[in-house]
Amino acid sequence: EVQLVESGGGLVKPGGSLRLSCAASGFTFSTYSMNWVRQAPGKGLEWVSFISSSSSYIYYADSVKGRFTISRDNDKNSLYLQMNSLRAEDTAVYYCARETAALNDALDSWGQGTMVTVSS
Amino acid sequence: QSVLTQPPSVSAAPGQKVTISCSGSSSNIGSKYVSWYQHFPGTTPKVLIYGNNKRPSGIPDRFSGSKSGTSATLGITGLQTGDEADYYCATWDSSLNGGVFGGGTKLTVL
Repeated sequence: EVQLVESGGGLVKPGGSLRLSCAASGFTFSTYSMNWVRQAPGKGLEWVSFISSSSSYIYYADSVKGRFTISRDNDKNSLYLQMNSLRAEDTAVYYCARETAALNDALDSWGQGTMVTVSS
Repeated sequence: QSVLTQPPSVSAAPGQKVTISCSGSSSNIGSKYVSWYQHFPGTTPKVLIYGNNKRPSGIPDRFSGSKSGTSATLGITGLQTGDEADYYCATWDSSLNGGVFGGGTKLTVL
């Protein structure tokens, strides 16, 4: 069974940093591209970042570019999101999601999400 | 303001059919595959449609997708109260070099 489990969320002050992790199991992690998607309270889903299976390709939403860094460790079956210079508008539930080429790059598996709150 | 435009809400009676539109541009819907997601608040989003009009295994054929030009549509027939959820379209945008979601549509089954 495919499982994605996020961790690392919490309360942080504006300007602070946080590192999210996503532990993957039940599939060959190293062969899948991964994404981070977030949902702010009362708002819709927002794509945050993408990383290809071998980390060759990395993309970010303009709203986080220069502040967030996505990475992965295929030996540890883990995905990460380093978030720096956090702002109140970064407050959201952060989901990691697997992208599947066989489904035309749809996000077919999602974690349960981890809450990040940026507040003084 | 989302790159992909969806109606904020739609509603219909049980058993009826509803469609949810998703409007984009040539750099996203017009040239990329569209997927649709169902999201019950507090739970994990689930893919309903991929590749514009394909259903993953386990998704009932009450759900359908289509695409024409720079717009896509999700259709749901035989509405059930359990279909009340938020629905999102998504694709890749080659101009932004990033993924994009619609603003989401809240479905109410009256």
